[in-house]
Amino acid sequence: DQQVKQNSPSLSVQEGRISILNCDYTNSMFDYFLWYKKYPAEGPTFLISISSIKDKNEDGRFTVFLNKSAKHLSLHIVPSQPGDSAVYFCAARGSARQLTFGSGTQLTVLP
Amino acid sequence: EAGVAQSPRYKIIEKRQSVAFWCNPISGHATLYWYQQILGQGPKLLIQFQNNGVVDDSQLPKDRFSAERLKGVDSTLKIQPAKLEDSAVYLCASSLDRAGNTEAFFGQGTRLTVV
Repeated sequence: DQQVKQNSPSLSVQEGRISILNCDYTNSMFDYFLWYKKYPAEGPTFLISISSIKDKNEDGRFTVFLNKSAKHLSLHIVPSQPGDSAVYFCAARGSARQLTFGSGTQLTVLP
Repeated sequence: EAGVAQSPRYKIIEKRQSVAFWCNPISGHATLYWYQQILGQGPKLLIQFQNNGVVDDSQLPKDRFSAERLKGVDSTLKIQPAKLEDSAVYLCASSLDRAGNTEAFFGQGTRLTVV
């Protein structure tokens, strides 16, 4: 039973354009949603988060949108840069602060 | 500030052998997590500690996996005996337990290959 789903295993975007990564969840009790970025041979690094009581959070080139009624969130990166190429994981936080992760989306930004 | 430290980085063992991984969390972080990440999948929580108490170990295969966090700081995760399907990256993470702090910080992981 996957409570957090990332249905796109990969995404390719031209440098300078917008990257949109999507995530769906099923558990309405999640209180925070987070995005992590992972480079090969490294652990995931935190990117941005959003509380379940908000619908948008922005940090520089990164914006996360939350649609609670649809149980959907998305990460927008604009403009995309080659250094953004990595695997992006969506994660949701439960009542005991444990994180449930999606399966990841490999983003490739083409120069 | 030092990050989450894990060792070893890589380990290759034969099936039915045992193995142990070590984690030193960020200083002051009360919560420590062990995750298993199989190739092509997202990290899956194995066990979560708060200080030296277990908060969640519902997905830990307790017949072969064990973990401890003595004195509420360092932690070890052990597999005995290992199976081929245990091949994965084992990630340790830690987090503050304060309102407003949401993120967990991850170590580089230990890549285990069982042959």
